[in-house]
Amino acid sequence: GNSVTQMEGPVTLSEEAFLTINCTYTATGYPSLFWYVQYPGEGLQLLLKATKADDKGSNKGFEATYRKETTSFHLEKGSVQVSDSAVYFCALRGAYNFNKFYFGSGTKLNVKP
Amino acid sequence: GAVVSQHPSRVICKSGTSVKIECRSLDFQATTMFWYRQFPKQSLMLMATSNEGSKATYEQGVEKDKFLINHASLTLSTLTVTSAHPEDSSFYICSAREPRGAGYNEQFFGPGTRLTVL
Repeated sequence: GNSVTQMEGPVTLSEEAFLTINCTYTATGYPSLFWYVQYPGEGLQLLLKATKADDKGSNKGFEATYRKETTSFHLEKGSVQVSDSAVYFCALRGAYNFNKFYFGSGTKLNVKP
Repeated sequence: GAVVSQHPSRVICKSGTSVKIECRSLDFQATTMFWYRQFPKQSLMLMATSNEGSKATYEQGVEKDKFLINHASLTLSTLTVTSAHPEDSSFYICSAREPRGAGYNEQFFGPGTRLTVL
């Protein structure tokens, strides 16, 4: 079946530090992969996505590369800001069911000034 | 583009009452909408898939009679929590998918509704 595993949080970093949030997945076929961000009290916003192997999604300084050989989609940012503090969700959309998304448990990021 | 709204953003109700939550796609027509439930510090759980003009498809373990879903138009889906109890307190999030084009491959999420049942 399909599933997503994320590193547990919270992750606490100082401003301008390097960020990595690990995400691995299990899926049949070739899924699409997503990172969503949730700010306090709000819904999810799409941060970036990749739809095939070796694709790199990027947005607002965040990047993630779809690695099929390691079934991973780790989120990275070279220099985090206080405004990046939020909960980040890795998600998978199955190759055969466009309707169903599978979400990881979320990783809370706290960035201190 | 691809904006989804929810109303209300917060609702507090007494045990035994029913609560309706609206989900609207503001700038596109959504033949398919989704309802999720998020428990504190946990991930989203898909409750049901709402299809315009037909019955919703519920995920295993979700009570159809408890969580009534109506998708009466291409821009509106409603979730009614019937006879709410404190254990129904949660953050409910809807999402919508464009019927075609680049937006077909992803879901656009609403801001969520915080339900508190006293």
